[in-house]
Amino acid sequence: EVQLVESGGSLVQPGGSLRLSCEVSGITFDNYAMHWVRQPPGKGLEWVSGINWNSGNIGYADSVKGRFTISRDNVDDFLYLEMNNLRIEDTAFYYCARDQAAEFFYYGLDVWGPGTKVTVS
Amino acid sequence: SYDLTQPLSVSVSPGQTASISCSGDDLGYKHVSWYQQKPGQSPVLVIYQDSKRPAGIPERFSGSNSGTTATLTISGTQALDEGYYYCQAWGSGTEAVFGTGTKVTVL
Repeated sequence: EVQLVESGGSLVQPGGSLRLSCEVSGITFDNYAMHWVRQPPGKGLEWVSGINWNSGNIGYADSVKGRFTISRDNVDDFLYLEMNNLRIEDTAFYYCARDQAAEFFYYGLDVWGPGTKVTVS
Repeated sequence: SYDLTQPLSVSVSPGQTASISCSGDDLGYKHVSWYQQKPGQSPVLVIYQDSKRPAGIPERFSGSNSGTTATLTISGTQALDEGYYYCQAWGSGTEAVFGTGTKVTVL
């Protein structure tokens, strides 16, 4: 069974840093691109960042560009999101999601973790 | 930046058809996915590449995409189909965009 489990969310002050992790199991991790998607309380989904299978293609939403860094470890099957200079508007539930393919741009996100909560206050 | 616009809400009677629109510039040239999200749960992919259903998604979910509008159609809507629905497409380059979201109520 495919499982994605996020961790690392917590309460942090504005300007602070946080590192989110997503542990992946039940799949051949390096066959898939991966993404981070967030959802502020009571609001809609916002794509944050994506990374292809070998880290050769990476994208960021304009709202986090220059502050967040996505990375992956294809040996231990982890996805990461390093978040710096956090702002109040970064407060959200952060989901790790699997792309249906090794490269993004063509398919959807077919497996999602339960999410981890980040509060900037 | 690229924007996708959806209606705030759609109401439908049980057994009837619900249609949810998603509008964006030249959307017909992009691949559109649709997600269902129920309160307190993670999103679930229900349609990808405009009209394909992932394994396990009921046939009553279908999709289309042409011009500037993509549409998710739920035929024979059931009470368990209530929730929020989001479209998603890829903007220029490597940026993914989600729609504004639509709340589906089964009356």
